Amino acid sequence: ETGVTQTPRHLVMGMTNKKSLKCEQHLGHNAMYWYKQSAKKPLELMFVYNFKEQTENNSVPSRFSPECPNSSHLFLHLHTLQPEDSALYLCASSQDQLPTQYFGPGTRLTVL
Amino acid sequence: KQEVTQIPAALSVPEGENLVLNCSFTDSAIYNLQWFRQDPGKGLTSLLLIQSSQREQTSGRLNASLDKSSGRSTLYIAASQPGDSATYLCAVTFRFTNAGKSTFGDGTTLTVKP
Repeated sequence: ETGVTQTPRHLVMGMTNKKSLKCEQHLGHNAMYWYKQSAKKPLELMFVYNFKEQTENNSVPSRFSPECPNSSHLFLHLHTLQPEDSALYLCASSQDQLPTQYFGPGTRLTVL
Repeated sequence: KQEVTQIPAALSVPEGENLVLNCSFTDSAIYNLQWFRQDPGKGLTSLLLIQSSQREQTSGRLNASLDKSSGRSTLYIAASQPGDSATYLCAVTFRFTNAGKSTFGDGTTLTVKP
């Protein structure tokens, strides 16, 4: 198990539901990331937070809403998702946005 | 456009065989290159990180090389074992992008048969 934890590990939701993914890092890092991994596609960077401030939003639809209350916690709030949003959502952290990132185990999301 | 390509997409070998996974990238101006392992439905585990100034890194049975001029990296796995079965991802941080933003390849799915 790494120093980055994610909950829940699996989530099934309907298109009208609202849910949140949680990520917590115990490594003392100050940068956190959300990635999306869809079947047969490369990892896609969604959001980057550095010192709780969002520094990057890779043209992600507004139905995904990130929240970073402090350097150790990162949330991804989900609402009115589409079936094509079904994927593995990975959280990562690093020190000062250095390229060595530590990944969590991911949340497997299925949208019905 | 900065891209990362991994070949082959899938590889199946008998136990004990030495093997090489390939990663190519389109821009030689990189900060570093990282190899990850991903087990089915799981997150990523960092295997080896090669800085731009380095030619190779070794960890146990793994050896990663970097040739920036040709835009290539290889991951060599010696004496493969069934426990090595996983998807191997190559990630490149290009120098002239936002720090921390890595570009990932599609991965090579390795199966080592007992």
